[in-house]
Amino acid sequence: QMQLQESGPGVVKPSQTLSLTCTVSGGSITYGDQYWGWVRQPAGKGLEWIGRVYSRGSNDSNPSLASRVSTSIDRSKNEFYLRLTSVTAADTAVYFCVRNRKGGSGFWSHFDYWGPGILVTVSS
Amino acid sequence: QSALTQPAAVSGSPGQSITISCTGTRSDVGGYNYVSWYQQHPGKAPQLVMFDVSSRPSGISDRFSGSKSGNTASLTISGLRAEDEAHYYCSSYKLAGHFVFGTGSKVTVL
Repeated sequence: QMQLQESGPGVVKPSQTLSLTCTVSGGSITYGDQYWGWVRQPAGKGLEWIGRVYSRGSNDSNPSLASRVSTSIDRSKNEFYLRLTSVTAADTAVYFCVRNRKGGSGFWSHFDYWGPGILVTVSS
Repeated sequence: QSALTQPAAVSGSPGQSITISCTGTRSDVGGYNYVSWYQQHPGKAPQLVMFDVSSRPSGISDRFSGSKSGNTASLTISGLRAEDEAHYYCSSYKLAGHFVFGTGSKVTVL
């Protein structure tokens, strides 16, 4: 059974960079055609898609965050990463890492595995 | 990018059927058959319950069904049970490799 686990600092100072790691176990991050992504959820609010990275390295990101977001992957460590620069209090949220899976039509259409989430608070 | 629109709250009695709507635009829900639905219990990560509009993942009850008409997708839960009480979020692929989530619906079993 595949498992995803987020890790990183729980507190980040305003204007600094938020860096998170997602460790994948129970399967190879490069097996098949996979995208790996990030979703966040402020307390008491809805989900927001942040971005994704392809197992071979290309990526996409939410246009509203694109200037501050980067995603990357380390196939040797079975990990992928999120960097969000110039954070403010509005970036305080639970961050989930996810697997973006292909559906029946062969398109990466949904998120079938989720990490438990990590709370990141932006505070001085 | 704007979130897809869902009703804030939907409720029903045990055994009844409820339907949650998810309204977008031609750039997301209306343009692609890539709508998925997620169930989230308090303090937990979301769980996939439907993908590609009407496909159920392995292990998800057939009490869950999905459909789409135009720019609106729907998730129906039949034979409502206490354990179905949770938040539900829709998601859709949006052009240029992006995704967008719905505003979320709180399902209450009366």
